[in-house]
Amino acid sequence: QSALTQPPSASGSPGQSVTISCTGTSSDVGNYKYVSWYQHHPGKAPKLMLYEVSRRPSGVPDRFSGSKSGNTASLTVSGLQAEDEADYYCGSYAGSINHVLFGGGTKLTVL
Amino acid sequence: QLQLQLSGPGLVKPSETLSLTCAVSDDSIRNTNYHWGWIRQPPGKALEWIGSIHLTGTTYYNPSLKTRVTISIDMSNSQFSLRLTSLTAADTAVYYCARDIAYGTSDFWGQGTLVTVSS
Repeated sequence: QSALTQPPSASGSPGQSVTISCTGTSSDVGNYKYVSWYQHHPGKAPKLMLYEVSRRPSGVPDRFSGSKSGNTASLTVSGLQAEDEADYYCGSYAGSINHVLFGGGTKLTVL
Repeated sequence: QLQLQLSGPGLVKPSETLSLTCAVSDDSIRNTNYHWGWIRQPPGKALEWIGSIHLTGTTYYNPSLKTRVTISIDMSNSQFSLRLTSLTAADTAVYYCARDIAYGTSDFWGQGTLVTVSS
């Protein structure tokens, strides 16, 4: 069982929006701004999509957005496109003992 | 653009030690703003953070692996390494190296290599 909880799957039709949640505790997601989201196409290296909850690295479309409320962070993908189909993982800083935790991953399917 | 080239064995025997090296293609290994980390993903399972190192040599480890893990850095060859001892089948995973820009945020990842622990 992963330290951060994500739904195992999510789906949406092209053009629609989908939101993926990432629930932790007050010791990780709820306590730090260092929540990140990664897109992972099988067989490829994971790609950073969001960091510090809602900041986008250069080159990531603004269709990807993030937010946090309490112990739960969320990734929203708007205007779904076929190439968005992938596994998405959240990660969070968790302090000086546990350091970094990941979620179990969410498989996003574009219908 | 930064490239991280991971090298190491694909098959290791139980109880043995895994050694992986990640070569950094540019001078960012000398940038004090970055840490350099290792992450793994067992087949069908989630990502697991293993640990990271700063160019000063300061290391941070996953507490569940701490007794078996050593991460080192070689500035002269622009590379950093992972050593994992006492391997079991549970250590079978795709291993990634990555650049950490802040508190576990990895902005560049190596391609990943599957390491199988089997006799």
